[in-house]
Amino acid sequence: AQSVAQPEDQVNVAEGNPLTVKCTYSVSGNPYLFWYVQYPNRGLQFLLKYITGDNLVKGSYGFEAEFNKSQTSFHLKKPSALVSDSALYFCAVRDTDSWGKLQFGAGTQVVVTP
Amino acid sequence: NAGVTQTPKFRVLKTGQSMTLLCAQDMNHEYMYWYRQDPGMGLRLIHYSVGEGTTAKGEVPDGYNVSRLKKQNFLLGLESAAPSQTSVYFCASGSAGGPVFIQYFGAGTRLSVL
Repeated sequence: AQSVAQPEDQVNVAEGNPLTVKCTYSVSGNPYLFWYVQYPNRGLQFLLKYITGDNLVKGSYGFEAEFNKSQTSFHLKKPSALVSDSALYFCAVRDTDSWGKLQFGAGTQVVVTP
Repeated sequence: NAGVTQTPKFRVLKTGQSMTLLCAQDMNHEYMYWYRQDPGMGLRLIHYSVGEGTTAKGEVPDGYNVSRLKKQNFLLGLESAAPSQTSVYFCASGSAGGPVFIQYFGAGTRLSVL
């Protein structure tokens, strides 16, 4: 079965510092990986995806993610965090069937302090 | 463009009561999903639909029923609410075709069962 794990419940970072949110995956076959962000009292918003190709994927709001096959990781990164980046971040992997179902990680709360 | 709209936004039920959550999407997406979000558990799939008139069970279907009579609408029903169903419910939709299944989420329904 496809699954992802987010080992950190919360990440604290000062504004202007680099931000990293960790995700590891377990899949059979090629992984289709996603990052979503949830702002308070809002639904999830798509940030970026890895399907195939370059290991560094660029997404919305200045975020990028690095796919590492040998470490089975897909960490989300931002070079310089903003206070407005404070939110709940979810890593997800697509199921192997054709119905687009996603398996989500437990989520990582990011807190960016001024 | 409204995207995915969920109604109601908030609801309080007593144990044993029934209710229906409505999800409407205006993007002509074939696939629709219902999730529940609980602290520390990410999003878990309740039911999903791959087209008008078709539904299937997800990871946590017990206690819920769904219907997709029109392509744009996906209804989630609770026949006899239980306190364990206190959660935030999210609907999502996505377009079929290709490996890139981006799901678009509604703003959520916060349900409390007393």
